[in-house]
Amino acid sequence: GNSVTQMEGPVTLSEEAFLTINCTYTATGYPSLFWYVQYPGEGLQLLLKATKADDKGSNKGFEATYRKETTSFHLEKGSVQVSDSAVYFCALRVSGNTPLVFGKGTRLSVIA
Amino acid sequence: DGGITQSPKYLFRKEGQNVTLSCEQNLNHDAMYWYRQDPGQGLRLIYYSQIVNDFQKGDIAEGYSVSREKKESFPLTVTSAQKNPTAFYLCASSPLERGTYEQYFGPGTRLTVT
Repeated sequence: GNSVTQMEGPVTLSEEAFLTINCTYTATGYPSLFWYVQYPGEGLQLLLKATKADDKGSNKGFEATYRKETTSFHLEKGSVQVSDSAVYFCALRVSGNTPLVFGKGTRLSVIA
Repeated sequence: DGGITQSPKYLFRKEGQNVTLSCEQNLNHDAMYWYRQDPGQGLRLIYYSQIVNDFQKGDIAEGYSVSREKKESFPLTVTSAQKNPTAFYLCASSPLERGTYEQYFGPGTRLTVT
């Protein structure tokens, strides 16, 4: 079946540190890949996406590259801020009429 | 403003009572979804619907029921058969056109059953 594995959290970083959150997937066919972010007490917001191999999604300083050879979609940011503290979810979707499959989420805390 | 509305934000019920969570969208999306979120568990799919008057069970449908009488609305009923109903419930929607794959989420309803 289709599945997503994310690195376990929580991750605690100092402000301006480099962030990597690992995400690998198992899927039939060629999925689209997503990163969502959830701030405390809120729903999920789409952070970035990539729909085919070697695509790079980027938004708000975050980036992730769709690596088909390693079945990965790692999230990176060069310099985190306190406001980036949230839970980050990696997800995949195999086709337009199937629900997203989510990883378990990684909680990020950034301290000043 | 287009979006997804979930109400109420917080809901409290006594054990043994059924409770219905509201989800409305004005994005003209065909598909709608219900997820449950527990600490450390990520999001688990309860039910989804791709068209009015039709819906499919997700991974954890037992103890829940849904209806889809209108395109804009997809209410979720948590029945007394659900053994651990206390959780954060998220509703989502998405178009089904080719090439459009992301889901859009509502703000969630936190249900507490005592």
